[in-house]
Amino acid sequence: GAGVSQSPSNKVTEKGKDVELRCDPISGHTALYWYRQRLGQGLEFLIYFQGNSAPDKSGLPSDRFSAERTGESVSTLTIQRTQQEDSAVYLCASSYATSYEQYFGPGTRLTVT
Amino acid sequence: TQLLEQSPQFLSIQEGENLTVYCNSSSVFSSLQWYRQEPGEGPVLLVTVVTGGEVKKLKRLTFQFGDARKDSSLHITAAQPGDTGLYLCAGHRTYKYIFGTGTRLKVLA
Repeated sequence: GAGVSQSPSNKVTEKGKDVELRCDPISGHTALYWYRQRLGQGLEFLIYFQGNSAPDKSGLPSDRFSAERTGESVSTLTIQRTQQEDSAVYLCASSYATSYEQYFGPGTRLTVT
Repeated sequence: TQLLEQSPQFLSIQEGENLTVYCNSSSVFSSLQWYRQEPGEGPVLLVTVVTGGEVKKLKRLTFQFGDARKDSSLHITAAQPGDTGLYLCAGHRTYKYIFGTGTRLKVLA
């Protein structure tokens, strides 16, 4: 079946602009995660969605970052007034609620100039 | 605060050599996962270990979860160029995954 997909694959934006990143999880996966990966580093947790429960936003680095998810489907991560330090790969992952296994998308590489 | 430390950070070895990557924490995890990530792609799950002391083998890769469920190791026997990539461990606690700092492995032919 189809895996996790993300769009766009690459995004170059000017400092101060807003960007929206999209994630399509695997069908039937109720849990969805967003992570940030800076060049050559590990993954930094940003936000977690589980079904209709309130999301865990504890990893969002500032109020410029927000995310939404419609039911158990598509999620969007929005970064407002982008800064150069926001440049990174943003990864989305989904899983069954009771499973230990996450499945990752290919990521969106964001470059803020 | 980095809860999971991996060592070494970088490793460059010749084809055929053996290697071990370590993942250490002061915190207990309900399970621990190992991923491999190649450039331009998301991490791909290799294995999940759940029980303290558990050992799992995946062809030439051997994974061990520490008895106290705070640390883990990945051993690769007779490394091949196809093993090249970024190896990440991730500890699972409730619904969160805490990722390690990563080990970048390069296997030279």
